[in-house]
Amino acid sequence: GQQVMQIPQYQHVQEGEDFTTYCNSSTTLSNIQWYKQRPGGHPVFLIQLVKSGEVKKQKRLTFQFGEAKKNSSLHITATQTTDVGTYFCISGGYQKVTFGIGTKLQVIP
Amino acid sequence: EAGVAQSPRYKIIEKRQSVAFWCNPISGHATLYWYQQILGQGPKLLIQFQNNGVVDDSQLPKDRFSAERLKGVDSTLKIQPAKLEDSAVYLCASSTADTQYFGPGTRLTVL
Repeated sequence: GQQVMQIPQYQHVQEGEDFTTYCNSSTTLSNIQWYKQRPGGHPVFLIQLVKSGEVKKQKRLTFQFGEAKKNSSLHITATQTTDVGTYFCISGGYQKVTFGIGTKLQVIP
Repeated sequence: EAGVAQSPRYKIIEKRQSVAFWCNPISGHATLYWYQQILGQGPKLLIQFQNNGVVDDSQLPKDRFSAERLKGVDSTLKIQPAKLEDSAVYLCASSTADTQYFGPGTRLTVL
């Protein structure tokens, strides 16, 4: 697996505002996976992106994989308090998958 | 489909004591992972099994941590003896391909 850098580390938004977190790598990624971990919970798989330029949507969440497969983003439209948690992006297959510190999202009601 | 099961959910021990955690992966998942997650950090991979063979244990503190996956299904992770810095949530995950499914974790407190 390959390590990706994620920014920002923390984000506070007012409920209803949009939120975006970014993952960047210096090398081409085979895939990118996004996980969400609620406070006190365990990571939950959200989505996997494999193709260059791929865009996938899940309700208010939009995931993108860069054309060069070196970066990815997760955008949440009109955040809700249920979006609170830490969002992780990871890359890799069977071996040496590495989680970074993630982006911690706080939504202010 | 049943998820990844872990037990116990919580454990409090004193330093230098021993502790063991158990994980039952999703049926049919060949790959099993143990992670350590310290408060405020991302999960750190301790060991990865493919069936009953070890794929990666480069970050496992082998002087005190051990893990096994007999018969390629259930797995146990042991710490002997525990140190204060071992206080963390220990997560087990399983997968068939790239996607990992996590169990609820065991929260260990070492006093």
